[in-house]
Amino acid sequence: AQSVTQLGSHVSVSEGALVLLRCNYSSSVPPYLFWYVQYPNQGLQLLLKYTSAATLVKGINGFEAEFKKSETSFHLTKPSAHMSDAAEYFCAVRETGANNLFFGTGTRLTVIP
Amino acid sequence: DAGITQSPRHKVTETGTPVTLRCHQTENHRYMYWYRQDPGHGLRLIHYSYGVKDTDKGEVSDGYSVSRSKTEDFLLTLESATSSQTSVYFCAISESEGAGNTIYFGEGSWLTVV
Repeated sequence: AQSVTQLGSHVSVSEGALVLLRCNYSSSVPPYLFWYVQYPNQGLQLLLKYTSAATLVKGINGFEAEFKKSETSFHLTKPSAHMSDAAEYFCAVRETGANNLFFGTGTRLTVIP
Repeated sequence: DAGITQSPRHKVTETGTPVTLRCHQTENHRYMYWYRQDPGHGLRLIHYSYGVKDTDKGEVSDGYSVSRSKTEDFLLTLESATSSQTSVYFCAISESEGAGNTIYFGEGSWLTVV
């Protein structure tokens, strides 16, 4: 069975500070992992995805994530937060052969000026 | 812009009435999905389609039905709306079945059942 846990439903950082959003997954087979961002009253936009190539994945807007099999983690980071990064972030997992993405419950990021 | 249009974008309806949400895509993607988003639950799959007239249930399908008569359109119907179906509904599309394929989302439909 596949599932995703996002630690921290709300995260606040100062502008210019490191952003770290945590995601741990459970999967019985090698997973595909995704991070999506949702701005207020909008749909979800893909930030980046892991598909078993490089373990460090770079995405849009300066975000990156590292797949760590030993820790079953796929944490999202950005070196320096910008006001425009304020949004809700969702981690999702999809197993080989599965038709569905399983989503975490989301982390709302607030950036303090 | 993933070429997905959802309608209506906002709707208020009364308990017990039927409601249909429409998703239209211009990408000619084979796979289409309906998700609902609720606080504390993230997004959960309601139904999905893997081709014209080919659909299957997701994890929260009770009270919902779907139809896909054309590649570009995927309809979600609430036969008799209940307050528990107040939610934000997202349509999504994917080009193929590979697990690494990206699923693209529409802008959402806000449904309130009073």
